[in-house]
Amino acid sequence: AQRVTQPEKLLSVFKGAPVELKCNYSYSGSPELFWYVQYSRQRLQLLLRHISRESIKGFTADLNKGETSFHLKKPFAQEEDSAMYYCALKERYGGSQGNLIFGKGTKLSVKP
Amino acid sequence: NAGVMQNPRHLVRRRGQEARLRCSPMKGHSHVYWYRQLPEEGLKFMVYLQKENIIDESGMPKERFSAEFPKEGPSILRIQQVVRGDSAAYFCASSAYQETQYFGPGTRLLVL
Repeated sequence: AQRVTQPEKLLSVFKGAPVELKCNYSYSGSPELFWYVQYSRQRLQLLLRHISRESIKGFTADLNKGETSFHLKKPFAQEEDSAMYYCALKERYGGSQGNLIFGKGTKLSVKP
Repeated sequence: NAGVMQNPRHLVRRRGQEARLRCSPMKGHSHVYWYRQLPEEGLKFMVYLQKENIIDESGMPKERFSAEFPKEGPSILRIQQVVRGDSAAYFCASSAYQETQYFGPGTRLLVL
């Protein structure tokens, strides 16, 4: 079954420290993966998608098919990065037309 | 572009009442997705609609839940005879065909 796992419920780092939010997936096929972020009292918004291979707000994520992972990384965390981060997989099979499967989310707390 | 709109933002119902949640997609988007987020959980797909059509309702509970996206007006998620377990945040997302999903702010339903 398609599944997204974010093993850390909470990740706390100090400002300037590197951060890595883990995401593993289970999918039979060619996955399309996303990271969404939700800042306090704001709506869920797209941070990045693997097919774009872009860097947004200093974050990057590389799809590793061998390890079925899509970890989110930033070399130097900032206080404004504190938020909930959700990894998501776009489902494409059968009748599904692109609904997203979400992990449970990781709350990132960046301390001054 | 005002983005995806949802109303109400907060809804309180007593057990047995009906809840109606509305979602207005972004301008130019004809695809709407509904997700539910239970406490401490990730978002779970419920239903995918296009104008006047339900494309995928594999995530919808079999009873009491229904959704529509009429030719004119917002998409409606309707929950009949609500129970305490329906208390959750309900998010709507919209997209152009199979493109990035943009999320609304959510409706927080509390069943007393």
